[in-house]
Amino acid sequence: DIQMTQSPSSLSASVGDRVTITCRASQGSPNSLTWYQQKPGKAPKVLLYATSRLESGVPSRFSGSGSGTDYTLTISSLQPEDFATYYCQQYYSTRFTFGPGTKVEIK
Amino acid sequence: EVQLVQSGAEMKKPGDSLKISCKGSGYTFTTYWIGWVRQMPGKGLEWMGVIYPGDSDTRYSPSFQGQVTISADKSTTYLQWSSLKASDTAMYYCARRSSGDYFEYWGQGTLVTVSS
Repeated sequence: DIQMTQSPSSLSASVGDRVTITCRASQGSPNSLTWYQQKPGKAPKVLLYATSRLESGVPSRFSGSGSGTDYTLTISSLQPEDFATYYCQQYYSTRFTFGPGTKVEIK
Repeated sequence: EVQLVQSGAEMKKPGDSLKISCKGSGYTFTTYWIGWVRQMPGKGLEWMGVIYPGDSDTRYSPSFQGQVTISADKSTTYLQWSSLKASDTAMYYCARRSSGDYFEYWGQGTLVTVSS
């Protein structure tokens, strides 16, 4: 099975900072890579799909890139509402796998 | 508007059986895959399996194969345990798979607590 790792596992940042989160697949090349945001007590919400496509309604400060086994989520200017946990998710060979998550906290 | 509405919180004892539900509305339910995702307290998201309600084609994560049963009818999908363990304590989400390979719409979650 493909395993997903994310780095860092947590980070502290200030409003206005540029934040980058990395997701790596253990092998192969996922069919697609998706990023979710989850706030405490809430269901996850899609931010980006197909590596870099912004879900409708998601602010343009979120962007995604990558290929092969390495993918990146970037928040260009962190806003107060962006403090949350972020998960990557891949789909490969009929299976879905989530990364372990990156918690973004206020500095 | 697409909505997935899950059944309410459950408190059970080890060894009990349980079936929780997820009802879809606002779209043709039988034409989209629905997945189940576990989130243990303070932990990350784990994919459990998906079902296509149109023909009940079901795929399980190897980690959950044999541990749970996913089923569906024309408007609702179900997640079932025959014998709960304390380690099944978690929030369980259903989510509709998009036409691509991600979960586009999510239910509100069902909290399952298993304790003696």
